[in-house]
Amino acid sequence: GEDVEQSLFLSVREGDSSVINCTYTDSSSTYLYWYKQEPGAGLQLLTYIFSNMDMKQDQRLTVLLNKKDKHLSLRIADTQTGDSAIYFCAEIKASGGSYIPTFGRGTSLIVHP
Amino acid sequence: DAGITQSPRYKITETGRQVTLMCHQTWSHSYMFWYRQDLGHGLRLIYYSAAADITDKGEVPDGYVVSRSKTENFPLTLESATRSQTSVYFCASTSDRGWASYGYTFGSGTRLTVV
Repeated sequence: GEDVEQSLFLSVREGDSSVINCTYTDSSSTYLYWYKQEPGAGLQLLTYIFSNMDMKQDQRLTVLLNKKDKHLSLRIADTQTGDSAIYFCAEIKASGGSYIPTFGRGTSLIVHP
Repeated sequence: DAGITQSPRYKITETGRQVTLMCHQTWSHSYMFWYRQDLGHGLRLIYYSAAADITDKGEVPDGYVVSRSKTENFPLTLESATRSQTSVYFCASTSDRGWASYGYTFGSGTRLTVV
């Protein structure tokens, strides 16, 4: 998963905005995802963005995509303690007719009361 | 309820033993994947399968074997477990076009410890 890069940790105060950044490698990736992993659980899809979009908003979540720089970000508005988790960025790579998700190392978001 | 289930949830085994991790999904998804999650490495793909009887290697396949005789099952076997295979293993699935709309669905994981 080293093709997709993320910072490892982010600490914010409750009520502040969180911004998690990701750099991917494959300019042909058609979909980019953000997954959330809570302690002891599997990954859950948070949101995704199609490559022909610059921005997608879904309630407190805003995804920004800069295709030129291959940069993806996830902004969480009004961050709550329940948002504490690991967040994974993923890109889809085509491989022999299959579409394989490649994940970053994950960013641990810690929200302080 | 439909879903993707992994078993066992926790497993401790000894070095050199063979161990099989199970993954079962009820959606008839064509694609299934096995990942391992290790601190500092994130998720790394071990094997994937595009359909029954079709499997392919991922980034870290050495020491693992998979099979897919039925669409709904995708077991992962460690032929001779080593301490470096201590990890959390995740199974995931998606349909042919489902990845484009709802992404990949993950199981809850199997925490494997090799002693």
